[in-house]
Amino acid sequence: DAKTTQPNSMESNEEEPVHLPCNHSTISGTDYIHWYRQLPSQGPEYVIHGLTSNVNNRMASLAIAEDRKSSTLILHRATLRDAAVYYCILRFAGKSTFGDGTTLTVKP
Amino acid sequence: EAGVAQSPRYKIIEKRQSVAFWCNPISGHATLYWYQQILGQGPKLLIQFQNNGVVDDSQLPKDRFSAERLKGVDSTLKIQPAKLEDSAVYLCASSLALAISTDTQYFGPGTRLTVL
Repeated sequence: DAKTTQPNSMESNEEEPVHLPCNHSTISGTDYIHWYRQLPSQGPEYVIHGLTSNVNNRMASLAIAEDRKSSTLILHRATLRDAAVYYCILRFAGKSTFGDGTTLTVKP
Repeated sequence: EAGVAQSPRYKIIEKRQSVAFWCNPISGHATLYWYQQILGQGPKLLIQFQNNGVVDDSQLPKDRFSAERLKGVDSTLKIQPAKLEDSAVYLCASSLALAISTDTQYFGPGTRLTVL
């Protein structure tokens, strides 16, 4: 399975943008890039996904590099409720593998 | 829309005892997943069902873990006998269909197991 690499932790100030990076240099042409986040004491929840083009939804934006070997999850204005572990995973045909994610701390 | 339900939320047992977890997926979701999440790590897939058939159980420790999904709806995961290293959160997730790369997984709150 293709793997992803993320920083262990990142910090952000409240109401500032946050850019969470993910490297996936062994991605195949059919892998979709998905992001999930896990709030404390909860199960992971879906954030966004994409294949080649940048994507936006109400929660976040996903910027995908032209060669698809990396991507960035963008939270436009971090709030205290965005403090969570963020997972970048590659998904193909219903199969995906979670790494250890990035723990985002948001400071007031 | 009701989410994925799991019970119990917490369980404490002694090693060598047995334990079972229950999951009720979102109505209409054909695919059901069980994950094990050890503290500080990401979820690790144990088993994946499509309706009531097993699609992937390559990482399930079959000497002690078993799972079933009767009638393609609810599922149970059993550990017998439990070991100390089984202490973890057991997450159930469901999705609408299999083999869809854009499919979203919906997770339950998990069951926290402590083995003493």
